[in-house]
Amino acid sequence: EAGVAQSPRYKIIEKRQSVAFWCNPISGHATLYWYQQILGQGPKLLIQFQNNGVVDDSQLPKDRFSAERLKGVDSTLKIQPAKLEDSAVYLCASSSWDRNEKLFFGSGTQLSVL
Amino acid sequence: ELKVEQNPLFLSMQEGKNYTIYCNYSTTSDRLYWYRQDPGKSLESLFVLLSNGAVKQEGRLMASLDTKARLSTLHITAAVHDLSATYFCAVDNDGAGSYQLTFGKGTKLSVIP
Repeated sequence: EAGVAQSPRYKIIEKRQSVAFWCNPISGHATLYWYQQILGQGPKLLIQFQNNGVVDDSQLPKDRFSAERLKGVDSTLKIQPAKLEDSAVYLCASSSWDRNEKLFFGSGTQLSVL
Repeated sequence: ELKVEQNPLFLSMQEGKNYTIYCNYSTTSDRLYWYRQDPGKSLESLFVLLSNGAVKQEGRLMASLDTKARLSTLHITAAVHDLSATYFCAVDNDGAGSYQLTFGKGTKLSVIP
């Protein structure tokens, strides 16, 4: 079974530039999440989608972060403009409708903002 | 605000020894999760604990959940080097399986030969 796919694997940008990350969840998983993991910390939820609708984005810094999941499958997370404190690993995860099943994480995109 | 606290944050142990990692959380929740993360890698789901008194075991790892005490433990039996990793516990923000998770800071485990 294919896992959660993310790209790019690494990204280095300068502050005030824009960046976008892509995620393809496990086939059939309706729910998709973006988490931010700063070095040395546990992941922090940014946004949750159910199909193509947003379930929770209360921790998404909406002045600079945006995310979409237009067809209920792939998702894109964008940062514009980036700040130094955005340096982190951005993890995409997906789950099925069965809430007793596991949450599956992708390998992440490591972002460095210089 | 939901808080999840793990201790210890760093653990160095010899092979063959036993140890326990503790996870305390501040909300009433019947669902708690343990994840493993190797350096530079993503998170791997270890255990999903869904009710008070739940106990799950996989190899040398055993996890338990006491919802009344708001405490979960991850017990390591006869540690081996392959268990070296960072272990996270996480709790659902709504306690209903939404996977809107709040994670602890992680316990970095180093098993020394």
